[in-house]
Amino acid sequence: GNSVTQMEGPVTLSEEAFLTINCTYTATGYPSLFWYVQYPGEGLQLLLKATKADDKGSNKGFEATYRKETTSFHLEKGSVQVSDSAVYFCALMRSSASKIIFGSGTRLSIRP
Amino acid sequence: NAGVTQTPKFQVLKTGQSMTLQCAQDMNHNSMYWYRQDPGMGLRLIYYSASEGTTDKGEVPNGYNVSRLNKREFSLRLESAAPSQTSVYFCASSENTGPNYGYTFGSGTRLTVV
Repeated sequence: GNSVTQMEGPVTLSEEAFLTINCTYTATGYPSLFWYVQYPGEGLQLLLKATKADDKGSNKGFEATYRKETTSFHLEKGSVQVSDSAVYFCALMRSSASKIIFGSGTRLSIRP
Repeated sequence: NAGVTQTPKFQVLKTGQSMTLQCAQDMNHNSMYWYRQDPGMGLRLIYYSASEGTTDKGEVPNGYNVSRLNKREFSLRLESAAPSQTSVYFCASSENTGPNYGYTFGSGTRLTVV
């Protein structure tokens, strides 16, 4: 079936460090891929998305590239800030489907 | 600009009690969803409504019922609450189904069943 696997957290980094959160997926065909972010006490918000192979989604300094050959969609940011502390969810949706499938989430904590 | 509004924010129930979680969106979205979030398991879809007048089961529908009351409102009912239903519940909406449409989430309802 369709699924998303993320690296387990928590991930703790110092401010201005480089961030990578790994995400791989299993799906038939060419799904669309998403990263959602959940700040403390809030619902999820769409961070970025990519709808076809080699597409790069970007927003707020975060980037992720849709890699069909490795079935991956890793999230990166060059210099993290304390305000980036949140839970990050990788997700997919098949083109013929009507709902998003989420990974288990990765908690990120940034130290000042 | 309310987006998706969920009520209540917190609730404690005794085993066997019933309750309804309310969700309303003001974005004129056609599709609405109910997820539950449990530690280490991410979000799992309970039910969704692709459009007004339709509802479909998700991954974990057992023990729940839903009503798409109108285009704005999508409620989730627990008829006889069980401790296994202790979770954080999120309602979401999207303009339509399909990968071109991102979801807007409410801030959640934290439910404890004792």
